Amino acid sequence: DIQMTQSPSTLSASVGDRVTITCRASQSISSWLAWYQQKPGKAPKLLIYKASSLESGVPSRFSGSGSGTEFTLAISSLQPDDFATYYCQQYNTYSMTFGQGTKVEIK
Amino acid sequence: QLQLQESGPRLVKPSETLSLTCTVSGGSISSPNYYWGWIRQPPEKGLEWIGTISYSGTTYFNPSLKSRVTISVDTSTNQLSLNQSSVIAADTAVYFCARLNSEWFGGGRFDYWGQGTLVTVSS
Repeated sequence: DIQMTQSPSTLSASVGDRVTITCRASQSISSWLAWYQQKPGKAPKLLIYKASSLESGVPSRFSGSGSGTEFTLAISSLQPDDFATYYCQQYNTYSMTFGQGTKVEIK
Repeated sequence: QLQLQESGPRLVKPSETLSLTCTVSGGSISSPNYYWGWIRQPPEKGLEWIGTISYSGTTYFNPSLKSRVTISVDTSTNQLSLNQSSVIAADTAVYFCARLNSEWFGGGRFDYWGQGTLVTVSS
């Protein structure tokens, strides 16, 4: 199985900050990576797919980059609605795996 | 607008079989560009992919669960189902069904999700 490791596990930030979350794969996954946002008691919401493609309806302050084994999710100017947990997911193989999550908290 | 809704027993006894159904509305489960999947999330933990199925019945499973899981699709009712046998307390989780937007055969991102249903394994 491909292991996905996110860092940091928790991130404290203020409204307006630029934040970045990293996801590393245990082997190359090309650009087959998605990012999700999840709020308590809710289903995950797709933000980014194929490493850098923005899902329809997602604000442009979200962006994704990377390929191979290292990927980044960036939020250019953190908004109150963005405090949530973020997960990466690789789909390079039939056996998909998620990262352990990064919680973005209010500083 | 596509909607997915999970249903099934909320409490299952250890060693028994967990059975859930996902009803898809606002779109056809038979669309060729999409697969359908189950994902679970234990309380206060991360997401775990369980398995994926195409409308024609091709399945892929998490290797750690493969021996206990079956997934099926019923195109006549626009539903997919999950059966997980021999459950233990560690199978307690919120179970989500989701649509997989296929970018290559069997792989892709989950773009629509059900709200999830908490299933507790306890005697």
